[in-house]
Amino acid sequence: EAGVAQSPRYKIIEKRQSVAFWCNPISGHATLYWYQQILGQGPKLLIQFQNNGVVDDSQLPKDRFSAERLKGVDSTLKIQPAKLEDSAVYLCASSSRPPGGGETQYFGPGTRLLVL
Amino acid sequence: QQQVKQSPQSLIVQKGGISIINCAYENTAFDYFPWYQQFPGKGPALLIAIRPDVSEKKEGRFTISFNKSAKQFSLHIMDSQPGDSATYFCAASTVDYKLSFGAGTTVTVRA
Repeated sequence: EAGVAQSPRYKIIEKRQSVAFWCNPISGHATLYWYQQILGQGPKLLIQFQNNGVVDDSQLPKDRFSAERLKGVDSTLKIQPAKLEDSAVYLCASSSRPPGGGETQYFGPGTRLLVL
Repeated sequence: QQQVKQSPQSLIVQKGGISIINCAYENTAFDYFPWYQQFPGKGPALLIAIRPDVSEKKEGRFTISFNKSAKQFSLHIMDSQPGDSATYFCAASTVDYKLSFGAGTTVTVRA
């Protein structure tokens, strides 16, 4: 079974530029998460999708971050404009069952973003 | 605010030794406590998880000890091997499975 795929793996941009990350979850997984992992910290949830609907985006900085999950499969996370403090690894995870039952989140390798 | 506090930040253990990582939480609504292992350049991977109705869970060389009254849980890695060198994260969630992660512990196993 293929794991969670993410691209690109690395991205370097200037501040105020825009950037987009792509995630392809494990086939059949209904729930998709985006996390931000700053160096030396644990992952922090940004947004959670159930199929193509947003379940929780309370920690997403909506003035600059946006995310979508078209057709309930792939997802993109965009930052526009980027700030220096957005330098982090952006992790995508997916799980097979809706919240409320025992489940494991499977993480992709992440996209490492450096904002100069 | 950080909902799960993890310590130590890093530890070094000799091959064959025991690694112990501790976590504490405040939210009594948490009812699922997983541990994730992360290697450099990789995403976290579930290692072992526990629910608060049991005090201990063991899988191979990895054991979670859970103290509900103290709101603490810990990971023990027995017979530590160089391949166990990684960053370990504790986490907790309520029924909605939105994970709150600790800050991580970098474990180095010396051969």
